Amino acid sequence: DTEVTQTPKHLVMGMTNKKSLKCEQHMGHRAMYWYKQKAKKPPELMFVYSYEKLSINESVPSRFSPECPNSSLLNLHLHALQPEDSALYLCASSETSGANVLTFGAGSRLTVL
Amino acid sequence: GENVEQHPSTLSVQEGDSAVIKCTYSDSASNYFPWYKQELGKRPQLIIDIRSNVGEKKDQRIAVTLNKTAKHFSLHITETQPEDSAVYFCAATFSGSARQLTFGSGTQLTVLP
Repeated sequence: DTEVTQTPKHLVMGMTNKKSLKCEQHMGHRAMYWYKQKAKKPPELMFVYSYEKLSINESVPSRFSPECPNSSLLNLHLHALQPEDSALYLCASSETSGANVLTFGAGSRLTVL
Repeated sequence: GENVEQHPSTLSVQEGDSAVIKCTYSDSASNYFPWYKQELGKRPQLIIDIRSNVGEKKDQRIAVTLNKTAKHFSLHITETQPEDSAVYFCAATFSGSARQLTFGSGTQLTVLP
């Protein structure tokens, strides 16, 4: 398996909802990432997990809460989001953190009403 | 600060012609330079990468050149085809950000039939 799988593909939520995005990879990669991508913009790094520990948090608001239950799974818990948080959320993985090839998932398109 | 500048932002070429996209980076310690292609509504996919100990790398119709002295690298696509139409992102690692990737702003390439 050479893919990163993300669910759901699309998510619409209100500002008071709680939802989660899920990501899974079975390539044995030990680094996993969350990126946020707005239309016609490059991916922006949010979080990095290395060997299941949070190693980088790029000053992301606390309404985004990452979780890495094991080496294959990565979640992003969402609570009290704002309309400006609407974006494509991309999960990625690499063999290890740092200068390595990133494999991206297809993304979860989030709309906050 | 850490910066990757990418030009042009849009590029239109006739099918069969060549396309060149250029990026400059700010950190002389950067050592990894990937290029990602993102088709509309799809995930970013790595198309070619180069490390700082190499000046040029080629894969069929795609090549990347690196000039470490001038701190710039370029993507060259020859014999362009309509399926090459996409947004292309360059990226570089920076020593000050735990060697995570910083992306350029992207180039929308359109190949006209």
